[in-house]
Amino acid sequence: GAVVSQHPSRVICKSGTSVKIECRSLDFQATTMFWYRQFPKQSLMLMATSNEGSKATYEQGVEKDKFLINHASLTLSTLTVTSAHPEDSSFYICSAERTGTEQYFGPGTRLTVT
Amino acid sequence: AQTVTQSQPEMSVQEAETVTLSCTYDTSESDYYLFWYKQPPSRQMILVIRQEAYKQQNATENRFSVNFQKAAKSFSLKISDSQLGDAAMYFCAYRASYSGNTGKLIFGQGTTLQVKP
Repeated sequence: GAVVSQHPSRVICKSGTSVKIECRSLDFQATTMFWYRQFPKQSLMLMATSNEGSKATYEQGVEKDKFLINHASLTLSTLTVTSAHPEDSSFYICSAERTGTEQYFGPGTRLTVT
Repeated sequence: AQTVTQSQPEMSVQEAETVTLSCTYDTSESDYYLFWYKQPPSRQMILVIRQEAYKQQNATENRFSVNFQKAAKSFSLKISDSQLGDAAMYFCAYRASYSGNTGKLIFGQGTTLQVKP
């Protein structure tokens, strides 16, 4: 099966600092990776789509200067939340897709900004 | 724009019984894919079942089956012989056809399923 990992699984940071979340496809090369945000008992909200070697495509309303996405290789994408504030506290989920297959989801990262 | 609607925020079922979760969607496309995902308390998204719109036959995966009504744009999930481990939040999702598309999934609001022993 296709496995996607995320690191860290949970992180606590202070307001004003930046935090980086890694998403890796462990046993396949991902042509596209996606970043979602999920609030408790709510659906997944797509934040951005990234393809290796190119700039991410952000969904409407998502601040690209606040949520920096880098897709440096076919197995790694990172999401950096810059100058984090308490309202950025959420559950962040990544997924990865090979061309023509399903998306495989990571286990998620719980971010708490104090 | 495509939309996915799950009108049942919560459902409950007795263990070993059958339950059906509803999903409707809106699209002008003729070729697309529909999915049901399960999100247990661990919050790991798990693919339950997938349906290609060009296939008339309803997809099945063991105790899970769908009722795909393309004209009505309806895609319900039936869980037979419900088990305690089926308790989770279930999401219906739409994806445009693979050709020339980014693979973006559009999710419904989710249905929380409770399984009573």
